[in-house]
Parts: sequence; C-alpha cells; structure tokens
Amino acid sequence: RKEVEQDPGPFNVPEGATVAFNCTYSNSASQSFFWYRQDCRKEPKLLMSVYSSGNEDGRFTAQLNRASQYISLLIRDSKLSDSATYLCVVILMDSSYKLIFGSGTRLLVRP
Amino acid sequence: GAVVSQHPSRVICKSGTSVKIECRSLDFQATTMFWYRQFPKQSLMLMATSNEGSKATYEQGVEKDKFLINHASLTLSTLTVTSAHPEDSSFYICSARSGLWDYGYTFGSGTRLTVV
Repeated sequence: RKEVEQDPGPFNVPEGATVAFNCTYSNSASQSFFWYRQDCRKEPKLLMSVYSSGNEDGRFTAQLNRASQYISLLIRDSKLSDSATYLCVVILMDSSYKLIFGSGTRLLVRP
Repeated sequence: GAVVSQHPSRVICKSGTSVKIECRSLDFQATTMFWYRQFPKQSLMLMATSNEGSKATYEQGVEKDKFLINHASLTLSTLTVTSAHPEDSSFYICSARSGLWDYGYTFGSGTRLTVV
C-alpha cells in the first residue's frame, strides 16, 4: 500500500466550479500535512499547510481528519490558472523530516 | 524568500557517461538536502537525504554507487548520475531544508535528464 494515496484524476471542470480532492495516508505517525501544486515540468510549490482545525486561504480550504487519516482540499470558483497537479504531502514523526508525496491529482479547468 | 538554484535545467547525455547536477542555496544554509526523481505522470520519489558533512542516506532500491551525493558545504549539494542509462532519464529535483525554521522546504527548479 502506498504511504500517501490520491485519485489521479484528471478532474475536468468548468470555470467557476467547486472541486474537492481527497488524500489518505497510511502511517499514523504522520505529523504534518501539506498540499503542493505542480505545474507541468516544474518544481512543486507549497499551496497550503493542513491543520486538524482546518484552514482556509482565499478560494482554497484544507481539512485534516487524523482519525480517518484523511486530508482534503476544496477549491471554490475554479480559475483556468488552477489547472495543475495537486500533490498531497505528509511528514513523518521522526527526525528525518522527509516529505512523502502522493502521486498527485490532475485538475483541468476549462473555459 | 529562500531560493535554491539548480543546474543544469536540462541535459542530454550519451549512455555510459556521468552527469552532475548541482543545487545551491542562495540565501540560507541548507542543513539537509533531499533529492527526488520524478518519472512522467508519477509523483516525486525520494532518492536520498543528505546532511551537510555526512554521508547521504539512500532510500530502499536506490543504488548509492550509481547516484553519488555530495553535501560538502551548507550551500551546495551535488548529485552525480554515474554511467547513465536510458532508464535513468527522468526529472531530478532537490529540496533544501534549513534548520532555522520548521517544515520550510525550498525546491530547486529541477533537472530534466535525457540519456540517449
């Protein structure tokens, strides 16, 4: 079983739509959680951190459910520029500080 | 903000030759450098973790004699792909972490390696 699993998509949505991505992680010792965005042939860029209390940044809302080992990302009012691959990332509770990446969910926002 | 300069951005080499990829932290000290590899339509797979002045720790299945990592200073880490083969063609990305702030990771812009 992969440590971090995501639906690969693609999610093909019209501009203005609301879209949600899910991610599950297998290691209960996972300590910190993030969503990264990766454009084609580019390096990943941090989108937002994910907290148990949930956090919101503009059109983006992230949620963490530790009991279910589940992370979500909600994008409201999708823009064409949101088209990218969204990577779910966890850090284990050890001293290595390694980022463990999910395989990513591809989003295509159409006009 | 923190910047990691990765070079080259693209390289084509002949099978059997070696390629060196450099990552430099420009405005901070990278106590830890992570090296990832990404094949098309796949996620980033961690290859190895290096701490300045120490030997790199390789992930399972990654050949340390083939992928040589050097992290001799707090601002420079290199990955050398030795005796490259076409199956080594991939996107290689470094990520630096400073011990000064938790969970702050800065990625290089990546190197696209094509072995012909």
